[in-house]
Formats: sequence, structure tokens, C-alpha cells
Amino acid sequence: DQQVKQNSPSLSVQEGRISILNCDYTNSMFDYFLWYKKYPAEGPTFLISISSIKDKNEDGRFTVFLNKSAKHLSLHIVPSQPGDSAVYFCAASASGTYKYIFGTGTRLKVLA
Amino acid sequence: GAGVSQSPSNKVTEKGKDVELRCDPISGHTALYWYRQRLGQGLEFLIYFQGNSAPDKSGLPSDRFSAERTGESVSTLTIQRTQQEDSAVYLCASSLGPPGTNYGYTFGSGTRLTVV
Repeated sequence: DQQVKQNSPSLSVQEGRISILNCDYTNSMFDYFLWYKKYPAEGPTFLISISSIKDKNEDGRFTVFLNKSAKHLSLHIVPSQPGDSAVYFCAASASGTYKYIFGTGTRLKVLA
Repeated sequence: GAGVSQSPSNKVTEKGKDVELRCDPISGHTALYWYRQRLGQGLEFLIYFQGNSAPDKSGLPSDRFSAERTGESVSTLTIQRTQQEDSAVYLCASSLGPPGTNYGYTFGSGTRLTVV
């Protein structure tokens, strides 16, 4: 049972345009969400987080939106840059638990 | 250290042999996690350590898998009698605190295990 789903395995975007990566979850107990970025042969690196008390969190070119009623979050990257090309994972956790559940990832390719 | 260090970075082993993977977390990080990523799949939780104890081993796929942590520092993940389906990148992460406390994980670069 995949509790965190990233239904788009890949996405291509032109440099300078907006990249939108989507993530859906099924467990209504999840209340903290993260996005990680992963380059080949490296471990994932933390990008941005959001708690369920918010519906938006912004950090520079990266914004995460949370729609609790739809159990959906998205990561917006504006403007997209070639260096953003990587695999992006969303992850979720529930208070009182000790682990994050990760999605399967979306490979973003930003075209110069 | 400055980051999470994992060794070896690559390991090729014959089916049926035992392997040991090592993780050196960031100094002072009390929480340590092992995940694995098989080809084309997401990150699969294996085990969580808080200090030297493992409150959550629910992700270990079989009794061939075991892990320990000593000195609230180094952790080793051991896979006995390896099978081809064990081939994956094994990732270790450490954190100052549990999820939800704004302490994200810091991941190592992983150990790529190939069972032939």
C-alpha cells in the first residue's frame, strides 16, 4: 500500500519556466511533509518542509503548497534552472511516529 | 563529521554471502535511519534508531536483515545469505530529532549493493 504517491515519474520544463511537482497521500494522520532533491550517486538533500497547520511555505524559488482536504501537496520551482534537474521525492510523517514515508520520486529535467 | 558517511560506496557480492554496511552519522545526531532504494522504486524504510535502541524495526524485510548501533554513533546493517532481490542502494540518514520537529534528515551518499 503506497501511502505517498508521486504519479508523474518524469517532467521536462524549459529553463525560466515554472516546474510543478505533485504528490498525493492517503493517510489523514500525516501532518508534516518534506521535499527532497537527489542527484545521481548522491544522497537526497532536504529542500523544503511544511506542517499541516500551514497551506503554503516559501523559500526563495521553491514554494510548497498543501491542500489537506485533497490530501495533495505540490512543489513549485520558479524560475526553473538547469541545475534543478534531479529526482524530487516528497515525504510525509505523522506525529508520534518516527519515520518519513517517501514517494517514488519525479525526475525533473530543466532544458536550457 | 561534517556529513553522514557510508561505506563502502559500492559492493558487489555473490548470492549467499553475508555483507555488512556501515554508517557514520553526524556527531550529536541521536536519530539514525536506514532506507533502501531498489531500481525504479522509492525510498523504503528499514529501521530507526533513537540512541542505541531500535524502537522501529518494522521495515526490515526478513530475518536475514539486522542492524545495530553502538556508542550512539556508528551503525552497521548486516544482510546474511544475500539474494538478488537485495540489490539496491542502501541509504543511511541521521537527524537531531524525530519528524515533525523541523529536523529533516541528512542522508549519506548510500551504498550501492549488487548481488550477482
